[in-house]
Amino acid sequence: RKEVEQDPGPFNVPEGATVAFNCTYSNSASQSFFWYRQDCRKEPKLLMSVYSSGNEDGRFTAQLNRASQYISLLIRDSKLSDSATYLCVVNMGGGGADGLTFGKGTHLIIQP
Amino acid sequence: NAGVTQTPKFQVLKTGQSMTLQCAQDMNHEYMSWYRQDPGMGLRLIHYSVGAGITDQGEVPNGYNVSRSTTEDFPLRLLSAAPSQTSVYFCASSNTHEQYFGPGTRLTVT
Repeated sequence: RKEVEQDPGPFNVPEGATVAFNCTYSNSASQSFFWYRQDCRKEPKLLMSVYSSGNEDGRFTAQLNRASQYISLLIRDSKLSDSATYLCVVNMGGGGADGLTFGKGTHLIIQP
Repeated sequence: NAGVTQTPKFQVLKTGQSMTLQCAQDMNHEYMSWYRQDPGMGLRLIHYSVGAGITDQGEVPNGYNVSRSTTEDFPLRLLSAAPSQTSVYFCASSNTHEQYFGPGTRLTVT
């Protein structure tokens, strides 16, 4: 069965702190990985793709560990506006939506 | 570009009624899909399409029909609404890897 697991949280973090959360996936043949952000009552939006070598976009760093089958998201110097649900998405094959499996999301709350 | 648009934003149906959720995209994407999102369940794929005239079932297709007569439009039909179909419905279009979601339709079936 396809599975992508995330800690649902919520993670309550003070503004300015660093926070990290992981996502594990069950299919070792998974090909590509993404983090999406979803604000309350809004649609998900792509935050960043996750590359084998790891990648950084400003305060956000994503890493992939194929051996242990997890991806991570690190947020540095967190802002109030980072409060959202972060969805881990794994492409387990196929060129379209049928290959994607969404995690249930990790809820992050940045507190002033 | 409007991106992905969905109508209506909100809908209340009685059990047994039928309706169509509209979805349109102006990015000339071949791939389009419909998801439902329920608390504690995450996003689940209902139906998807890899191009005009081609549709296929996702993880939870029962009770829903789709068609794809044009690249731009991908309507979702509820044949006979049931309370279990109360959910938030997202339409998405995609290039090879990024999904672009519409704003969603909040459906309540009483």
